[in-house]
Amino acid sequence: AQKITQTQPGMFVQEKEAVTLDCTYDTSDPSYGLFWYKQPSSGEMIFLIYQGSYDQQNATEGRYSLNFQKARKSANLVISASQLGDSAMYFCAMRQFNNAGNMLTFGGGTRLMVKP
Amino acid sequence: GAGVSQTPSNKVTEKGKYVELRCDPISGHTALYWYRQSLGQGPEFLIYFQGTGAADDSGLPNDRFFAVRPEGSVSTLKIQRTERGDSAVYLCASSQPGQGTGELFFGEGSRLTVL
Repeated sequence: AQKITQTQPGMFVQEKEAVTLDCTYDTSDPSYGLFWYKQPSSGEMIFLIYQGSYDQQNATEGRYSLNFQKARKSANLVISASQLGDSAMYFCAMRQFNNAGNMLTFGGGTRLMVKP
Repeated sequence: GAGVSQTPSNKVTEKGKYVELRCDPISGHTALYWYRQSLGQGPEFLIYFQGTGAADDSGLPNDRFFAVRPEGSVSTLKIQRTERGDSAVYLCASSQPGQGTGELFFGEGSRLTVL
């Protein structure tokens, strides 16, 4: 069974500073993908960044980067130069490629609050 | 629009009633997913469709929950004899397996409140 753990229920960060949101996962399969989604108060889940288990380099998308440490089974999200609009819930999720479908398993989320 | 559309956005019902929640996926996406999100928690998988068939319904909590996708596009999640514990946001997502990272595209959800 796969499991995603996000140990930080809430985080504060000062505007313009960087913040790291933690995610650890548990799987016995060698092939998997890791996703981060943002969920603002409107409720829609917005895809941010993806890391494949065989990718050699850490993923980056604009201000988002993923600190992937495969041996530790962690996939932390780093947001640089935080903006007020970054205040939202953030979810880490995993997909195993031996699944019949592409369903994702989500962690419990971290609420990020950016202070002006 | 171009995104996943869910209706209604809000539904208030009484215990014991029947409800239907509708999802219109992104055009051309063959895979469709239903998730349930309780307050303060991450989304929990309910059911996955590939085309018209339910490829995995292991997340449905009991036989009061049922979902269909008769023409491989729009899907309806049906809940019979609703209970207060069914109150949650029901999220629908679609994807096109093999495209890009295969990420799921989510709608804004249907918030169900059972009184």
